[in-house]
Amino acid sequence: EVQLVQSGAEVKKPGAEVKISCNVSGYTFTDYYVHWVQQAPGKGLEWMGLVDPEDGETRYAEKFQGRVTITADTSTDTAYMEVSSLRYEDTAIYYCARDRSNSFHLWGQGTLVTVSS
Amino acid sequence: QSVLTQPPSVSGAPGQRVTISCTGSSSNIGAGYDVHWYQQLPGTAPKLLIFANNNRPSGVPDRFSGSKSGTSASLAITGLQAEDAADYYCQSYDSSLSAPYVFGSGTKVTV
Repeated sequence: EVQLVQSGAEVKKPGAEVKISCNVSGYTFTDYYVHWVQQAPGKGLEWMGLVDPEDGETRYAEKFQGRVTITADTSTDTAYMEVSSLRYEDTAIYYCARDRSNSFHLWGQGTLVTVSS
Repeated sequence: QSVLTQPPSVSGAPGQRVTISCTGSSSNIGAGYDVHWYQQLPGTAPKLLIFANNNRPSGVPDRFSGSKSGTSASLAITGLQAEDAADYYCQSYDSSLSAPYVFGSGTKVTV
């Protein structure tokens, strides 16, 4: 069974950084891009960026460029998404998702990040 | 503001047919890129419902169908059921450099 399992909820202070993991199983990690999507409370979905696990190449939405870093570890079949200099407005659920022909074919369960002083 | 425009809400009685529109532009849907649809039940992660305009992943009931024409796409739900109450999002690829993967604003379906 193909699965994407994300790390647990985080509570961080403004200015801190957070790193979320997405461990995949049931398929060859390097065969598909892994995307990250943000969903703020009560809001819609917003694409943040992706990583190609085969070569580590990344692409980011302009809005998140410079503050978000996405990586992939092929030794553990895990993708990571790090957000630095956290702001209150970064409070959201973050999802990883496996690509299939530019669609988000399979999703992780989501990780809630709360930024609070 | 989302690149793809959807109605905020749609409602229907059980058994009825509802449609959700998704309007884009010449840089996304109109450029020929595929449209995909997702269903997000309350408190859960989104789930792929329709891919490549009109294809259902395994396990998705045939009550759900998609279509695309010009710069727009639509999702139809026939024989509406209580379990279809959810948020629905369209998604496509955009040739702009700022964010190539774009979502619709989302539509809440009430049964």
